[in-house]
Amino acid sequence: NAGVTQTPKFRILKIGQSMTLQCAQDMNHNYMYWYRQDPGMGLKLIYYSVGAGITDKGEVPNGYNVSRSTTEDFPLRLELAAPSQTSVYFCASSYWPSGGETQYFGPGTRLLVL
Amino acid sequence: DQQVKQNSPSLSVQEGRISILNCDYTNSMFDYFLWYKKYPAEGPTFLISISSIKDKNEDGRFTVFLNKSAKHLSLHIVPSQPGDSAVYFCAASAGDDKIIFGKGTRLHILP
Repeated sequence: NAGVTQTPKFRILKIGQSMTLQCAQDMNHNYMYWYRQDPGMGLKLIYYSVGAGITDKGEVPNGYNVSRSTTEDFPLRLELAAPSQTSVYFCASSYWPSGGETQYFGPGTRLLVL
Repeated sequence: DQQVKQNSPSLSVQEGRISILNCDYTNSMFDYFLWYKKYPAEGPTFLISISSIKDKNEDGRFTVFLNKSAKHLSLHIVPSQPGDSAVYFCAASAGDDKIIFGKGTRLHILP
């Protein structure tokens, strides 16, 4: 199993540009999550999904959108990039209800908005 | 309002000695606690967890202790090894579909 994969690994965006961060998992997990980690800070939840077609906001959803059309994929969309969105983005997945608290993370996408 | 607090941003420990990482929480509804380890340029990886019905869980060199009355947990690593140098995140769950992370503690294992 590849686990959780994320693309791209690194991206530079100009203010106002848009992009999609890709996330895929091959563990048949029903739950998927997007986090951002700013320097010196913990992970903050942006959006999460409990299954295909179902998404919900986390702690810091503003400026982002998500969709979940399949169990495997959970892309994160930035419509109008702002410098405040410079961060490292992590995607994670888990299987609820059994062991759902244990989330498996991808390697991250480092985003720089200039 | 931080629900999970790791008050030590960094910690240095001699190789072979015990490393103790601390974590405090404020939400009494948390019933499951986890520790994640993170190397640079990688995603966090699950290390060890503990349910609120227990006060200790051990896995090899790693032991987590939970003190519910003090709303405090700690991760003990013994003996500490060079590969343990990483950032450690404490996290907690209230049995819903989200977990809350602390800011992390960077552990340096000194030769």
